[in-house]
Amino acid sequence: EVQLLESGGGLVQPGGSLRLSCAASGFTFSSYAMSWVRQAPGKGLEWVSAISGSGGSTYYADSVKGRFTISRDNSKNTLYLQMNSLRAEDTAVYYCAMEGILTGADAFDIWGQGTMVTVSS
Amino acid sequence: SYELTQPPSVSVSPGQTARITCSGDALPKKYAYWYQQKSGQAPVLVIYEDSKRPSGIPERFSGSSSGTMATLTISGAQVEDEADYYCYSTDSSGNHRGVFGGGTKLTVL
Repeated sequence: EVQLLESGGGLVQPGGSLRLSCAASGFTFSSYAMSWVRQAPGKGLEWVSAISGSGGSTYYADSVKGRFTISRDNSKNTLYLQMNSLRAEDTAVYYCAMEGILTGADAFDIWGQGTMVTVSS
Repeated sequence: SYELTQPPSVSVSPGQTARITCSGDALPKKYAYWYQQKSGQAPVLVIYEDSKRPSGIPERFSGSSSGTMATLTISGAQVEDEADYYCYSTDSSGNHRGVFGGGTKLTVL
């Protein structure tokens, strides 16, 4: 069974850092692009960042570019999101999602359950 | 920055057809994807590449796209279809930047 399990969320002060992890199981991790998507409390979905299967290509939303870094360790079947210079507006549930394992398309086929990040003093 | 526009809410009675629209300038060139999110749950893909339905999604869900507008249609909506629906696409700049629409709350009652 394909599964994604996020961890690393929590409470952090403005200006602080946090690293999220997404552990994958049940498939060949390196074959698929992965993304992070977030959802602020009571708000809609926001695409944050994506990375190719090899890790050689990365993409960011303007709202996080220069502050967040996406990476992956294919030997550990794990996706990461390093978040620096955190702001109150980064408070959200962060989901990892994988593309194409069910559809073969650039669609987020599988989602994790999400991890909550709260930026507050 | 690129935006996708959805109506905030749509309301239908059970058995009626619900249509949710999504407009964006790049949609003539880029696929639209639709996600269903029920309260407290992670999103679920219901339509990909404008009109394809993933395995396990009921046939009452369909999608179409014409010009700058994509449409999710739920034919014979059921109470269990009540949820937030989001369209998703990428901009046409070649930067592979994703964008979600603001979401539409579908009420079936």
